[in-house]
Amino acid sequence: EADIYQTPRYLVIGTGKKITLECSQTMGHDKMYWYQQDPGMELHLIHYSYGVNSTEKGDLSSESTVSRIRTEHFPLTLESARPSHTSQYLCASSGLAGARNEQFFGPGTRLTVL
Amino acid sequence: GENVEQHPSTLSVQEGDSAVIKCTYSDSASNYFPWYKQELGKGPQLIIDIRSNVGEKKDQRIAVTLNKTAKHFSLHITETQPEDSAVYFCAASQAGGSYIPTFGRGTSLIVHP
Repeated sequence: EADIYQTPRYLVIGTGKKITLECSQTMGHDKMYWYQQDPGMELHLIHYSYGVNSTEKGDLSSESTVSRIRTEHFPLTLESARPSHTSQYLCASSGLAGARNEQFFGPGTRLTVL
Repeated sequence: GENVEQHPSTLSVQEGDSAVIKCTYSDSASNYFPWYKQELGKGPQLIIDIRSNVGEKKDQRIAVTLNKTAKHFSLHITETQPEDSAVYFCAASQAGGSYIPTFGRGTSLIVHP
């Protein structure tokens, strides 16, 4: 079982609210990622980080922002939620060094914006 | 950048049959090819991976084959069971370093009892 956690698991919120999705891992991994998963299954990379104080935008443009102040923590924030942000959000991590690039995924947060 | 194509998008089989999911990649520098299984309500989980110095790898009922020349790799599941029903993702990456994996679009496998 991967030691990567996401909270909340489910969130229903009104338009205009600010929300933060939490992600933490206890594996000491340097790299962390946020994916948005649409109902058609496809995983869209929206943010990633190589380590503390490193954040990069992914392939899919997103209005969310991320921060990486501690190795184990990679929260995602939406300043003003909209119905178009309704989706499943998956956090993942992987080690920077080593022969493999295996990613460990959290269970996901299902966000619904009314 | 890397581009990964995955087919089919949905696959329906009878219990006991075999299932094959195919992926192609574009970047010849990719050398690490993991497969993930995502069950309902969970995040994807690695089930098997292969590196480019190996042509085939097996783990009980699942196997992965890699053809570097043709730039394609496949997941084979034999004697399928209802608990194999899930979404499967292939990915291509470069082992180690700062590379970000590129995922296929996923295959929804349904195994009918």
